[in-house]
Amino acid sequence: GAGVSQSPRYKVAKRGQDVALRCDPISGHVSLFWYQQALGQGPEFLTYFQNEAQLDKSGLPSDRFFAERPEGSVSTLKIQRTQQEDSAVYLCASSLQGLRLAVRNTGELFFGEGSRLTVL
Amino acid sequence: QQQVKQSPQSLIVQKGGISIINCAYENTAFDYFPWYQQFPGKGPALLIAIRPDVSEKKEGRFTISFNKSAKQFSLHIMDSQPGDSATYFCAASKRGGYQKVTFGIGTKLQVIP
Repeated sequence: GAGVSQSPRYKVAKRGQDVALRCDPISGHVSLFWYQQALGQGPEFLTYFQNEAQLDKSGLPSDRFFAERPEGSVSTLKIQRTQQEDSAVYLCASSLQGLRLAVRNTGELFFGEGSRLTVL
Repeated sequence: QQQVKQSPQSLIVQKGGISIINCAYENTAFDYFPWYQQFPGKGPALLIAIRPDVSEKKEGRFTISFNKSAKQFSLHIMDSQPGDSATYFCAASKRGGYQKVTFGIGTKLQVIP
């Protein structure tokens, strides 16, 4: 597709359930990011992939959060044993440039529309 | 802690007026300062960006002013239109790495006719 695609757009989970959120980045984009956006807040960095390698997972809030990008394209963010504080919009973004080309740091991030997770 | 501080959190401007959003940062390693625009139900989209080697960048009705010594930058929207009503995020990223972008809290702009 032309843009970053995320699914599902909306997910309601009961506390304690596991959820999986999918991201299809723009074809050919090397970098993929996951961000968490709480209501009324700016996006907060969760994790970064360059191709299939997860180079930074410093923003993952707990070990209940896990992300993968096994073939360097589609990525999945998994949240185990969801808690109410996990309720947020999860945004995926991709960028053409990777680490080697990022010295000038001019890569634009292309965001998907997000997956809104509500934990009851 | 908030690495990029943004104000105001909400702003109401009349059509044709100037909208001004201010941001400040502490980390001198930041070297790229984008602004993103987000409409309800959509993801953020890059609006305009600046690097610290220039003091101003203008694209159409949108201008970024950058004060490196004060570690502050601002977005000016000239001739604001109702279609500009959205949430605006200032952001910053560091040199020498991938484009990990740190966002401000956002400013919800409403342009009234």
